[in-house]
Amino acid sequence: EIVLTQSPATLSLSPGERATLSCRASQSVSNYLVWFQQRPGQAPRLLIYDASNRATGIPTRFSGSGSGTDFTLTISSLEPEDFAVYYCQQRSTWPLTFGGGTKVEIK
Amino acid sequence: EVQLVESGGGLEQPGRSLRLSCTGSGFSFGDYPVSWFRQAPGKGLEWVAYIRSKVYDETPEYAASVKGRFSISRDDSKSIAYLQMNSLNTDDTGLYYCARDLFTIQRVRAFDIWGQGTMVTVSS
Repeated sequence: EIVLTQSPATLSLSPGERATLSCRASQSVSNYLVWFQQRPGQAPRLLIYDASNRATGIPTRFSGSGSGTDFTLTISSLEPEDFAVYYCQQRSTWPLTFGGGTKVEIK
Repeated sequence: EVQLVESGGGLEQPGRSLRLSCTGSGFSFGDYPVSWFRQAPGKGLEWVAYIRSKVYDETPEYAASVKGRFSISRDDSKSIAYLQMNSLNTDDTGLYYCARDLFTIQRVRAFDIWGQGTMVTVSS
């Protein structure tokens, strides 16, 4: 099973600041890495697929990068609605696995 | 509107069974693989089961934690995917989501549409 480790667990930032979230895989997942956003009380929302492709309707302030074992989700300038939990997921091999999540909270 | 709606959750005793349903609308349900996920209260996301579309023989995949106890199936004539959950235990408690996969249609490995979830509580 591929283990995904997200860091930091919590990120305390102010609106307008840049957020950088990390996801590290225990073995290569090529570029089959997905990012989701989950706001309180809501279902996960697809942000990024194939490590760097924005999903339909996702603002350009969200970007993804990386390949192999190291991946990054960047939010260039935080909006109030961006304070949420972010999960990475690998789609390389079964079983599908998620990282433990990074909570982006208001400082 | 493209959407998925889960139903069938509730309170059940350990050892008993539940069947969840995931009903799709606004798209050609049969063209898409479907997966179930769960989220224990206050915890992260966990993948549970996956079923391919008919063109790939509706073959399933299961997480180790549910293999042999849970069974995923689909009825494309009704646009429904099911999750039959047997031998429930307290670790199965959580909010269960279904989601569609873009792989068959767009060759993209991503779950783009999610339901709002149905709560399953296993307790004596």
